[in-house]
Amino acid sequence: GAGVSQSPSNKVTEKGKDVELRCDPISGHTALYWYRQSLGQGLEFLIYFQGNSAPDKSGLPSDRFSAERTGGSVSTLTIQRTQQEDSAVYLCASSLVPNGQFFGPGTRLTVL
Amino acid sequence: DQQVKQNSPSLSVQEGRISILNCDYTNSMFDYFLWYKKYPAEGPTFLISISSIKDKNEDGRFTVFLNKSAKHLSLHIVPSQPGDSAVYFCAASDRGSRLTFGEGTQLTVNP
Repeated sequence: GAGVSQSPSNKVTEKGKDVELRCDPISGHTALYWYRQSLGQGLEFLIYFQGNSAPDKSGLPSDRFSAERTGGSVSTLTIQRTQQEDSAVYLCASSLVPNGQFFGPGTRLTVL
Repeated sequence: DQQVKQNSPSLSVQEGRISILNCDYTNSMFDYFLWYKKYPAEGPTFLISISSIKDKNEDGRFTVFLNKSAKHLSLHIVPSQPGDSAVYFCAASDRGSRLTFGEGTQLTVNP
């Protein structure tokens, strides 16, 4: 596709379960970012992948959160033992050049 | 530590008038600033940006002003149109890495 795609678009899970969120970046984009937006909040940076460099994980809120990017393309954000405060819209973005981030539509996660 | 702040959660203007959205930042290392527009159930879309070496950038109805001494930027939309109604996020980056976003301002343009 032409843009960043994310799946699923909506995810409802029970507290304590693990979830995986997927991001397909724009083909050729070397940088990939994960952000989340909690209700009434701005976008909060989570993690950043750039090429083959070690990812910048400084935004991950706890060790329950992890992400990987396979083959420099698709990325998966995993949240283990989900908590209610993890409920948010998780947004993925990709870019070819610095400051040129294109966002996907997001995954709305609801933890009951 | 909120490094980028949008102090107005909402703004309402009449169609045809000017919309002015404001943003303040605290990190002097930020060298690039962007405005994104977000509709419900969609991801943010890039609107306009400005480098710290400039004080103004214009694109059609949209103009961004940067006042580095005040660590303040603003987005002007003129004339405002009902289709401009959305949440506007201010964002800043330091050397082209991750973006730091403000909380967003809900703009409503009334016909």
